[in-house]
Amino acid sequence: KNEVEQSPQNLTAQEGEFITINCSYSVGISALHWLQQHPGGGIVSLFMLSSGKKKHGRLIATINIQEKHSSLHITASHPRDSAVYICAVRVSGGSNYKLTFGKGTLLTVNP
Amino acid sequence: DTGVSQDPRHKITKRGQNVTFRCDPISEHNRLYWYRQTLGQGPEFLTYFQNEAQLEKSRLLSDRFSAERPKGSFSTLEIQRTEQGDSAMYLCASSFSGRATDTQYFGPGTRLTVL
Repeated sequence: KNEVEQSPQNLTAQEGEFITINCSYSVGISALHWLQQHPGGGIVSLFMLSSGKKKHGRLIATINIQEKHSSLHITASHPRDSAVYICAVRVSGGSNYKLTFGKGTLLTVNP
Repeated sequence: DTGVSQDPRHKITKRGQNVTFRCDPISEHNRLYWYRQTLGQGPEFLTYFQNEAQLEKSRLLSDRFSAERPKGSFSTLEIQRTEQGDSAMYLCASSFSGRATDTQYFGPGTRLTVL
């Protein structure tokens, strides 16, 4: 079992819909990242969380440390949001600088 | 600040050949990471440098792989005697340990295809 699990693996939505992507992890962490990867490989960091909630534009990320769960929400989704969204954690203790990644969620937003 | 750059972006090679990739981190960043990503999977950690010191190597990094960061700036990742299983996207990231957030910034990746 992977230390970081994401759901769903694939998500198709219509433009304007509210999107939720979930991430669960099984280890103690010092931080959780949400990343966006477009076709061609480039990865952009969206959020880094250690507690609570962060908002940037139409994106909202939340984390529940006790439940070891995080969600990424996209409001008023748009076709340009189509990408792979990856959850990654920094495991606490030991090597706390490297990231352990989920497999990603492929989001397709249709016009 | 032009971000993290990687060269080449794509590399096609025949099995058994050696390949070398380069990563130029953001100039003030003292930490540099290499990850590998195969199709349909998330990236996996390969190795990490703080300045010029290689502080950790994953068991994924077999003896055929070597990474250097000679002056604490750019880094190279060499794969000797490539195998078809080495085909993947090789991602480089950098960060600055002096900031509390220590966010990793990723390069565009080098896609390796071994025929």
